[in-house]
Amino acid sequence: EPEVTQTPSHQVTQMGQEVILRCVPISNHLYFYWYRQILGQKVEFLVSFYNNEISEKSEIFDDQFSVERPDGSNFTLKIRSTKLEDSAMYFCASSPTSQPQHFGDGTRLSIL
Amino acid sequence: QKEVEQNSGPLSVPEGAIASLNCTYSDRVSQSFFWYRQYSGKSPELIMSIYSNGDKEDGRFTAQLNKASQYVSLLIRDSQPSDSATYLCAVNGNSGGYQKVTFGIGTKLQVIP
Repeated sequence: EPEVTQTPSHQVTQMGQEVILRCVPISNHLYFYWYRQILGQKVEFLVSFYNNEISEKSEIFDDQFSVERPDGSNFTLKIRSTKLEDSAMYFCASSPTSQPQHFGDGTRLSIL
Repeated sequence: QKEVEQNSGPLSVPEGAIASLNCTYSDRVSQSFFWYRQYSGKSPELIMSIYSNGDKEDGRFTAQLNKASQYVSLLIRDSQPSDSATYLCAVNGNSGGYQKVTFGIGTKLQVIP
């Protein structure tokens, strides 16, 4: 069964540095998403991406964050000037229509 | 703030029993409802989706939706120890955006052998 693939599985970064999280969505899916889950808390929506542009974003997704689909397969989340509170699991998801969404295994981001 | 509320549990049931998981949501215009299972340290895994009032059955799982009461539930029949996980209720198609999925905190289910 096709899967959403995320790399790396664990990223450790110094506070203030930039980090790029990578995702390969399921190949025939058209909608792409990023979510985060701080330890012990809810899964939170960050952004959705369709037709090569952001379609929806949450209040969390401020100027510190950006997304790109640089080629036909990858979907990236860039976090600039990382802060301690950015430490979380980041999940990429994709879907053939806008719902339902299938999640990757996640990247654990640790900010030191 | 559009909310999805769940009892965080843990909900403990003996093996073979029916586990009943409940969820309420605050936004009346919500259109789509999902149950995800999340094992500790893993990603959410979609197990059921439901879009109209009533029941939807898939194997041992039954999702129930009552839009008038803004209530969604998941029944797991013949519960197995492998069902022990956190079950996330999720809602989208609300006034927060059609693609944005809002999750509840999840109910931790423990199936006792």
